[in-house]
Amino acid sequence: ETGVTQSPTHLIKTRGQQVTLRCSSQSGHNTVSWYQQALGQGPQFIFQYYREEENGRGNFPPRFSGLQFPNYSSELNVNALELDDSALYLCASSRGGYGATQETQYFGPGTRLLVL
Amino acid sequence: AQSVTQLGSHVSVSEGALVLLRCNYSSSVPPYLFWYVQYPNQGLQLLLKYTSAATLVKGINGFEAEFKKSETSFHLTKPSAHMSDAAEYFCAVSLNAGNMLTFGGGTRLMVKP
Repeated sequence: ETGVTQSPTHLIKTRGQQVTLRCSSQSGHNTVSWYQQALGQGPQFIFQYYREEENGRGNFPPRFSGLQFPNYSSELNVNALELDDSALYLCASSRGGYGATQETQYFGPGTRLLVL
Repeated sequence: AQSVTQLGSHVSVSEGALVLLRCNYSSSVPPYLFWYVQYPNQGLQLLLKYTSAATLVKGINGFEAEFKKSETSFHLTKPSAHMSDAAEYFCAVSLNAGNMLTFGGGTRLMVKP
């Protein structure tokens, strides 16, 4: 049990729709990262938020966007869903931000998104 | 850019046997290295991490890994496998100070009774 929760656990959408996934960070953690894990693959870094600002981004298009709130909860929004967006989406929280490489990231259980 | 290669997408061992999961990284600067475990329908749990202190890193559940710069490797070992070790294992690297991880493709460990 990491103290990081995600909702919903499962979601089915159709191509072209928009989706919002939610993450509640561990208490006191001001950094949240989002990862996409396609079936049978390792997670891929989408982006990171530190104190409500985007702090880094992986190789994902702008239709992937995020928000982080003062209470350290966060959202991942995906617009214009494509079939290849079907994956497990993981959020991870940690303390610090820039300069916090050694801080452990605590992962939530993920949201499994299926796009039809 | 950094990358991680995990040799062997599936590894099968007998209960009580040595576990060896291989990880090689590519990096232009000294990396931070991690091993995570993922049980079915769960998120990732940190097993251990290398942060440029001791090259032999001990983690949870009896796992350890050794950082070998000359071989650009960070293999995960456990002397005696237990049935509960059956899971997916991911090696990851972080170069920048922001703790943004690059993962390998994963190795599924199966433990036979």
